[in-house]
Amino acid sequence: GAVVSQHPSRVICKSGTSVKIECRSLDFQATTMFWYRQFPKQSLMLMATSNEGSKATYEQGVEKDKFLINHASLTLSTLTVTSAHPEDSSFYICSAIPEGHYSNQPQHFGDGTRLSIL
Amino acid sequence: GNSVTQMEGPVTLSEEAFLTINCTYTATGYPSLFWYVQYPGEGLQLLLKATKADDKGSNKGFEATYRKETTSFHLEKGSVQVSDSAVYFCALSDTGGGADGLTFGKGTHLIIQP
Repeated sequence: GAVVSQHPSRVICKSGTSVKIECRSLDFQATTMFWYRQFPKQSLMLMATSNEGSKATYEQGVEKDKFLINHASLTLSTLTVTSAHPEDSSFYICSAIPEGHYSNQPQHFGDGTRLSIL
Repeated sequence: GNSVTQMEGPVTLSEEAFLTINCTYTATGYPSLFWYVQYPGEGLQLLLKATKADDKGSNKGFEATYRKETTSFHLEKGSVQVSDSAVYFCALSDTGGGADGLTFGKGTHLIIQP
């Protein structure tokens, strides 16, 4: 159980386009999802916390107008990289926590999305 | 702020060797500590965790003990297998799992040779 699916797994697009990444909890409902970014040979860095039905909470230094997050249902959060540029190329990973299970419960991670901007 | 430092890789060992991957942390309060593993081509999976001092997390032959006095959570395994080859991430959370995002180390690439 507790499967998180990310789509697409890989995307290559031209500079200036916007890219949407989906994160779905397949067998549980998730009030809270997280978006991370991983540069090559670097750690995963938390970008934002996505809360169902409310605005996302962004970490310091993350541009909210650049990385739009929508968490419209208890099973889906989307990250849209707007007007993407080569420096946005990275590995984006989402995670989710089953609803009502915050205490001592781990986050369940998706397989990640490799974004390459040409 | 919180931070996690783990040994840089790659770490290359022969099958059946003893493994230690060091992890130390900086955090306010009493964080929960985790080890995640990322096998080639897959997402992160929780390997083990510990939520309070002196707790020992264990899974698949791996162990790590939450040492508050040394702010460490070193990962160990007595006899590694080729199938253990992966990237291992040490992480912490201010809450149990949890409501806050995780702070990760940079990851340690482990290569086990037959």
